[in-house]
Amino acid sequence: QQQVKQSPQSLIVQKGGIPIINCAYENTAFDYFPWYQQFPGKGPALLIAIRPDVSEKKEGRFTISFNKSAKQFSLHIMDSQPGDSATYFCAASIPQGGSEKLVFGKGTKLTVNP
Amino acid sequence: GAGVSQSPRYKVAKRGQDVALRCDPISGHVSLFWYQQALGQGPEFLTYFQNEAQLDKSGLPSDRFFAERPEGSVSTLKIQRTQQEDSAVYLCASSFMVTEAFFGQGTRLTVV
Repeated sequence: QQQVKQSPQSLIVQKGGIPIINCAYENTAFDYFPWYQQFPGKGPALLIAIRPDVSEKKEGRFTISFNKSAKQFSLHIMDSQPGDSATYFCAASIPQGGSEKLVFGKGTKLTVNP
Repeated sequence: GAGVSQSPRYKVAKRGQDVALRCDPISGHVSLFWYQQALGQGPEFLTYFQNEAQLDKSGLPSDRFFAERPEGSVSTLKIQRTQQEDSAVYLCASSFMVTEAFFGQGTRLTVV
């Protein structure tokens, strides 16, 4: 059972565009929602994360919008650059024992053309 | 080291062979996770350690998979009698309690 649904599967934008990646979840026990960026041959790296008590969080060019009632959250990348071309994963965590197991979406492959 | 280190980076195993994958977490990190990432998919949780205690192994796909962290630092993921469906990237992540999880580069396992 996929607990975090991510869309689209792939996305192509021009430099300067604003790609938006969406995720939806079902389990209301989730309390931490990070986004990870992964380049080929590398492990995922945390970009930005949000807790359910906040509707929006911005760090640099990356913004998370969170809609608790709809159980949806999205990543916006402002002024996208070719170096942002990577696969992006949303995730959600279930609290356990003081640390947080992550449930990932299937990923979105972003291509930013020059 | 500065980050999570995994070895080997690549492993080719013949079907039926046993393999052992190693993870060196960031020094002082209490929590350690193993994930499996199939080609074109998101990582999927396998198991979680807090220090040397394995608190959750609900994601291990079969009893052929075994993980340990005997001294609360280095961890080993062992797969016995490998099958083709075990081919994937195995990722290790560590964190200090409820902070950001740092991932290693992974071990790409190919079973032929």
